[in-house]
Parts: sequence; structure tokens; C-alpha cells
Amino acid sequence: DVKVTQSSRYLVKRTGEKVFLECVQDMDHENMFWYRQDPGLGLRLIYFSYDVKMKEKGDIPEGYSVSREKKERFSLILESASTNQTSMYLCASSLLPSNEQFFGPGTRLTVL
Amino acid sequence: AQTVTQSQPEMSVQEAETVTLSCTYDTSESDYYLFWYKQPPSRQMILVIRQEAYKQQNATENRFSVNFQKAAKSFSLKISDSQLGDAAMYFCAYRNGGSQGNLIFGKGTKLSVKP
Repeated sequence: DVKVTQSSRYLVKRTGEKVFLECVQDMDHENMFWYRQDPGLGLRLIYFSYDVKMKEKGDIPEGYSVSREKKERFSLILESASTNQTSMYLCASSLLPSNEQFFGPGTRLTVL
Repeated sequence: AQTVTQSQPEMSVQEAETVTLSCTYDTSESDYYLFWYKQPPSRQMILVIRQEAYKQQNATENRFSVNFQKAAKSFSLKISDSQLGDAAMYFCAYRNGGSQGNLIFGKGTKLSVKP
């Protein structure tokens, strides 16, 4: 079974802090994705990557950056956390773009 | 731009009964994929069912089936013999065909199952 893990289930940070959210997948998937999930808004794509060192902006990239130095790891970075970035963050991966995406358990981030 | 609409924020079903969750989408593409994902409370999102637009036959996975109406751009999910474990958020998602293209999600439907 594909396993997608995220470094933290819950995280509390202060405004202005730099925040790293880590995602690791163990099935050699080419594609990795970061979403944020907010009530009533569904899932919105922040960034995605189709290959190592490659990244593409999604629908809401402002305030975020990403890093993919290794195939199995995709990091989401909040350079200076703000309260409006309080949300659930979901990582996903897929072998091919048309394939099923496998999701991690999510990180619930609270920015105070 | 493609959009996905789930018009039912919440639904409720009695255990063992059948429930249908609605999803409509808007696209000008002819090649695309449609998905239903399930997110149980505090658990990981998982794929329930997938439909390729070029296939006329509706996809089925055990108690889960879809009614894919391509002309109407409708993709509803039917859950038969509902079980307590079916209680979850359900998300409809769309993806263009081809080598690239990302999932576009609806806002979700929260399904409750009454014992």
C-alpha cells in the first residue's frame, strides 16, 4: 500500500514564524501536491511538483513556497506565518497525473 | 476554467438505506476524469470511485456506484446499504485528461448515517 506521511498532525505557531511542513511518500511517485482544506471551501491546490527540483504554482500559492530535493519528499514552507494561514494542510502523491492521488493524514496548523 | 459544484453541504441517511450525493461540473474538454473521495472524521482521504469520461458505462465499486451523465455534466454517487462507517465528507473531483492537469475539488458533502 502507498503510504503518505506528514511530519505533524497538529502544529501551533506564532505570527511571523517560519513554518516547515514535511511530506514523505514511499511508492516512488513522480507527482506530489500540497492542498489546504477549509470548511465550506473544499480543497485548494497550493503547489505541486512533477519531478525532483520542479515545482508549479497551484491556485493559491501566495504566502507559500515549496521544496523538492528528493523524489520522496515534498516540503511546504510558510516564510512568515500569518493567522489567515490557519488551516488543515494535506499532502498527496500520484504515480501519473491521471492516476489516483494518495493523501496523507493532514497537518492542522494554527497560527496565533 | 473548470468548476465542480456539490450543491448539498450536508446529507443524512438511515443505516441500510440508499443515498445519492450530487455533483455537477463545467468543462469544455472532452477528455477528463471524475473522482469521488471520502474523508472520514480525523482520517485520511481515500478514493472511492473513478470514472473516465470516454467510458459510457457507469463505474461501480461494491456498494458505491455513479450515475455519469456526460451531456448534463453530472456525476452523482450512490451509496447502497449505507453503513455507519460511510459517515464522512465526500468530495467530487475533476481532472483534465492528458499528461498534466490537477484535481479540481468540489466543496464537499458531509454525510451522516443514522443507526
